[in-house]
Amino acid sequence: LAKTTQPISMDSYEGQEVNITCSHNNIATNDYITWYQQFPSQGPRFIIQGYKTKVTNEVASLFIPADRKSSTLSLPRVSLSDTAVYYCLVGDEEDSSYKLIFGSGTRLLVRP
Amino acid sequence: GAVVSQHPSWVICKSGTSVKIECRSLDFQATTMFWYRQFPKQSLMLMATSNEGSKATYEQGVEKDKFLINHASLTLSTLTVTSAHPEDSSFYICSARGTRQGGFVAYYGYTFGSGTRLTVV
Repeated sequence: LAKTTQPISMDSYEGQEVNITCSHNNIATNDYITWYQQFPSQGPRFIIQGYKTKVTNEVASLFIPADRKSSTLSLPRVSLSDTAVYYCLVGDEEDSSYKLIFGSGTRLLVRP
Repeated sequence: GAVVSQHPSWVICKSGTSVKIECRSLDFQATTMFWYRQFPKQSLMLMATSNEGSKATYEQGVEKDKFLINHASLTLSTLTVTSAHPEDSSFYICSARGTRQGGFVAYYGYTFGSGTRLTVV
């Protein structure tokens, strides 16, 4: 079973900032939080990964509170091409027995 | 970055025939390969995990005799759907976990193939 809970869908408009929150109440000490993006008929694509506080890269930011029981993916100034499904996963990727189990994801629709 | 090449990208086959899907890691050694199935508007469902040189471990409810997985080398894994039926029509995706060849620092990560759309008629 997936260890995360996300909203099923979100709507936004071009140019807005989008924040998608993921709950992971049972996150373990060694677990990292990773977000993937998937377009229709394509494999998931890595967006960002973090352990605590804040991580930023060229496409997104990831905010993780001190208790790590949730995380928020922030997409600045979304465009139509950001319409996709976003998955939040938690786990210890350095554990050779770790398996990527996907939850339902969040379907983001960006409107003109 | 790490790349996983998955082929074919789509295939149509007749009911009762077998179809082979290949995934190759192009610039790293895929010590572990995961195979997923995804139905329309649903999430990815893990089917099986395979480590190079050993038998695959299947998730509950996945028929191992129907979905044959071979991971004979560190750069190639195959999924064969045997005696395919229309209900096997789905989007199949592989994901590789491995270490980068020749690097000083081990790269641990998961890289996904582009997926294979299987339609059984």
